[in-house]
Parts: sequence; C-alpha cells; structure tokens
Amino acid sequence: EVQLVESGGDLVQPGGSLRLSCVASGFTFSIYRMNWVRQAPGKGLEWVSYIDTSGTGKMYADSVKGRFTISRDDAKNSLYLQMNSLRDEDTAVYYCARASQSRWQLPDYWGQGTLVTVSS
Amino acid sequence: DIQMTQSPSSVSASVGDRVTITCRASQGISSWLAWYQQKPGKAPKLLISAASSLQSGAPPRFSGSGSGTDFTLTINNLQPEDVATYYCQQANTFPITFGQGTRLEIK
Repeated sequence: EVQLVESGGDLVQPGGSLRLSCVASGFTFSIYRMNWVRQAPGKGLEWVSYIDTSGTGKMYADSVKGRFTISRDDAKNSLYLQMNSLRDEDTAVYYCARASQSRWQLPDYWGQGTLVTVSS
Repeated sequence: DIQMTQSPSSVSASVGDRVTITCRASQGISSWLAWYQQKPGKAPKLLISAASSLQSGAPPRFSGSGSGTDFTLTINNLQPEDVATYYCQQANTFPITFGQGTRLEIK
C-alpha cells in the first residue's frame, strides 16, 4: 500500500523558515517523481513544486520561487521542502504527492498533509 | 499558465440523482485532465485520469468525458458517501493547475 506521511508543519512568524518532510513507503521511491501541493484554509489546491528522480530537475510555482527549495533523499525514502522568508499567504496544509509514472504532471497518491501557519 | 474553470461552484442533489460538473481549460489540453475527490478533512484522492480513465477502486457510477478545452464529471445514482469537493486538474504541462472546486451536498 502506497503511504506518504508528511511532518514538520508548525506555527512560524513571518520571515521565518521551516522544513517539511515526507516519508514514503509501499513503493520504490527512487523511481518516482514527486510534488508538493498546498491548500490554504477553506481554499482550493495550489501546486507548489516538483522534483525529478535524479533530484536535479526541479520546478516551482511563481508564488514560491526563490524562497522554497525541494529536495529528496532516496536512501531515506524522503522528500523535503525548505521554506524560507515565509509570508502570511503561505499558511496552508502542505501535501506531498507522488507523480504518476505515465504522466509526470499527474499526482496520483497524496499524503494526509501537514499544517503550516505563518502568523505573528 | 493554463486556467481551469469549474462550474457550478456548489451543487445540492438528492440520493439517486445524476450530477454533472464541468471544467473548462483556458487552452487546449488534449485529454490531460484529472478529477479528484476531497472529503472533509482528508487529502484529495485521484478519481479519473486522462479525462475518462476511472482509477482502480473508484465506483463505476463516476465517469468522465471530454477533450480539448471542455470536460465533464458525471456521478450517476448519487450516494451519501459522495459528499465531497471535486477538483479538476490539467496534466498537460507545468505549472500544474486546478479548478477552484465544486462542493457537492446531499439535499
């Protein structure tokens, strides 16, 4: 069974930093591309970032470019999101989502999410 | 970026009804359209990929159709457990974009 478990969400002040983690199990993590998707309270889904299997191909939403960094550690079956210069509008549940092997732009399995609250 | 527009934003229907949700892309995306179901307090779950391909385990009362810019999600014989918010997503290109969601309620 595919499982994705996020952690690291917390209350942080504007301008602060946070690192989210996602541990994968039930599939061969190293051969899958991965995404982060977020959802502000009561709002819709917003794609945040993507990483390929080598860890060198990365993409970001314009709203987080230059502030967030996606990375992975295949030895630990883990995906990360380093979040710097956090803003109020970054408040959201952050989901780790696996990319389908047949279509990289298709998240096929999602974790349960971790809540990031940016507030003074 | 490709904009995705869903309608309606909310719908209320009775058990046993047929419900139709539409999604329009701001430019052609071939059949690279997915539908997700998100129940309250839960993560989104992939229901349909490639516009009409039902995911394993999804009830056959769900179906999808369309290509190019116009797509439809149909739920036949609506059940109480279908209460959720439904999102379309274009899988044609990055950045991935989602519709704003359609909240489905039971009358």
